[in-house]
Formats: sequence, structure tokens, C-alpha cells
Amino acid sequence: GAGVSQSPSNKVTEKGKDVELRCDPISGHTALYWYRQRLGQGLEFLIYFQGNSAPDKSGLPSDRFSAERTGESVSTLTIQRTQQEDSAVYLCASGRPWLAGVTGELFFGEGSRLTVL
Amino acid sequence: QQPVQSPQAVILREGEDAVINCSSSKALYSVHWYRQKHGEAPVFLMILLKGGEQKGHEKISASFNEKKQQSSLYLTASQLSYSGTYFCGTAFDSGNTGKLIFGQGTTLQVKP
Repeated sequence: GAGVSQSPSNKVTEKGKDVELRCDPISGHTALYWYRQRLGQGLEFLIYFQGNSAPDKSGLPSDRFSAERTGESVSTLTIQRTQQEDSAVYLCASGRPWLAGVTGELFFGEGSRLTVL
Repeated sequence: QQPVQSPQAVILREGEDAVINCSSSKALYSVHWYRQKHGEAPVFLMILLKGGEQKGHEKISASFNEKKQQSSLYLTASQLSYSGTYFCGTAFDSGNTGKLIFGQGTTLQVKP
């Protein structure tokens, strides 16, 4: 496809279960970001991948959260032992470097809506 | 580290102008503006690099004041299609300039 693809689009899980969210970025985009958006709130930075560099994990809220990326392709965000406060839309975005290390236009996926009961 | 946007919300009539501000407590390297319509993904508007430039096209433009560590988004002669939530994303002048931290958003509603 031409855009950023995320799956699942909706996920309902029980408290304590693990979930895995997937992001397929646009081909050729070396930068990949994960953000969390709670209902009516802003975009909360989680993690940033750039090419083969070590990812910037400074936004991950706890050690229950982890993310991986295979080369410059698919990324998965894993949340272990989910809690109700994890309920949110998880957005993935990809882009190309623009100037002097700055990422250019980001293309966002439609998000994965996670509901933890 | 999160930039602060103001106002939090604004209501306009078609044809009116609006300014949305984005301020940071840390030195900025770049500012990125996005608009998100309800139930949709954010969409890119523009990027500004430090240097105080102003960018834009038609009726949406932005400025970046490096000394004040802030950026402003200008919407002139607003249209109904401008309604949505506007986010500024900031990359800081130290550390990883690719890392984007977004503000909490400014909700803009344009009425007929």
C-alpha cells in the first residue's frame, strides 16, 4: 500500500494480558515513531527509530512497553500485562530524513485503538 | 520537555483570523506543525528550522523565533475546512534532532 499501515485497528483485551501492535511504514522511510493518544489528548511520544541507529526509547512509560523494528521495515509495539490506563490510540508514523538530522514530513497511520477492560 | 501550546481552544467565524502559539523551555532546532481532524490521523502542514524563517502558502503560515524559543501558526481568512486540532512538534537543539515531541494541541472550530 501507499500509506502507513497499522494492525489491528481495534483491540479489546483483558487487564493483565499482553498485546502486540504492528506498523508497516512507507517503503524507504528510515524514520519510524510510535505515539500514544488518549481520548481528547495530545500525542505522547513513545519511541523513535532512525535507520540502523539505536532507538530512542525515552518515552516508553514503563518496562511493560517495548518496541522492535526489523531493519527499515515493520515495527511492533508490545505491551505486557496491560492495565486500564494503557487504553488509548497508538499511532505509528514514518518519514525520511530532511535536513541536518531533522525528519521531514511524517505520515501517520490510522492507529490501533486499544481498550483494556 | 513538552512544548506548551496556546490557546487550548478557539472558536472562529468563517473569514476570521487565528494565531496558535507553541513555546518551549528548551532551545529548539525545528518546529513541525500538524492538523488532526476528528477521528483521523494527523496531517503535515509545515516544518521550520531555527533561523527565524517564516513559511507558508496561501492562508496558513508560520514563524519561528529562535530567541524566544517559540513558533506561531497563522491562519488567515479561516475556512470551515480549517477546523481540527493543531499540534506543534518540536525537536531540540541538543541531543537527537530527529526526535519529535508534540504539544497538547489547540482545537480550532470554524463556524459558518
